[in-house]
Amino acid sequence: DSGVTQTPKHLITATGQRVTLRCSPRSGDLSVYWYQQSLDQGLQFLIQYYNGEERAKGNILERFSAQQFPDLHSELNLSSLELGDSALYFCASADGGRASYNEQFFGPGTRLTVL
Amino acid sequence: KNEVEQSPQNLTAQEGEFITINCSYSVGISALHWLQQHPGGGIVSLFMLSSGKKKHGRLIATINIQEKHSSLHITASHPRDSAVYICAVRGAGNMLTFGGGTRLMVKP
Repeated sequence: DSGVTQTPKHLITATGQRVTLRCSPRSGDLSVYWYQQSLDQGLQFLIQYYNGEERAKGNILERFSAQQFPDLHSELNLSSLELGDSALYFCASADGGRASYNEQFFGPGTRLTVL
Repeated sequence: KNEVEQSPQNLTAQEGEFITINCSYSVGISALHWLQQHPGGGIVSLFMLSSGKKKHGRLIATINIQEKHSSLHITASHPRDSAVYICAVRGAGNMLTFGGGTRLMVKP
C-alpha cells in the first residue's frame, strides 16, 4: 500500500459527460502528479501540483482540468468525454517540489470507461 | 523516435534465470525511474537513479549517464516477478516521460 488513495476505482460513463477523479496523497506529501495510461499511448504525464499551485503541465487536453485543494487532495476533471478518453488514470505523490529528486508513490488508479 | 526506448518489449524466462531489461533515452535527464506494474494495474516504484548502481533484494538497476542508458537486472527470477517493467526519465520541469514497458513472464 503506497499510502496514496484514488476514488473511484472504476467509472463507466457516456460520451459527452463530465467526471471528477479524486486523489489523496500520502501524509506529508505536497506534490501530486496525474498520469493517463491508455492502450495506444502508454503512460503519459498530465499535470503536477505542488502545495496548491500548478507546477508542470504535460499532454493534458483543454477538456481536462485539475486542482489541488488546501488539504492537499487533488481532483482531475474530465469533460466532454470521448471514447478515446477511456484509460487508467493514476495519481502519484512526492514530498518535493519544483526541483524534486524524490521518489513518486503511485495510487491504485481509476479505470475510466467511456461508452 | 520516442524519447525513451525499452527493450525487449516482451520477455519470457524460466524460473531462476537472470533477466536484463534495457532502457535508452535521448534527452538530458535529472533522474531515471524503474517502475513495476502488476496485472491488476497497480504501479510500484522500484528505483530512482541519477548515477551508478542501486540494489534491492534480487533487483539491480544501473545507469550510464554518458551513454544515456540504464538496465534493470533480476537475479534468480521467480514467477511472482511477472509484470510490466517501465522505465521513466525525469526531464525539464520535473516531468516524467515513460518508455513503452517490457512485459515479463517468468514460467515455473
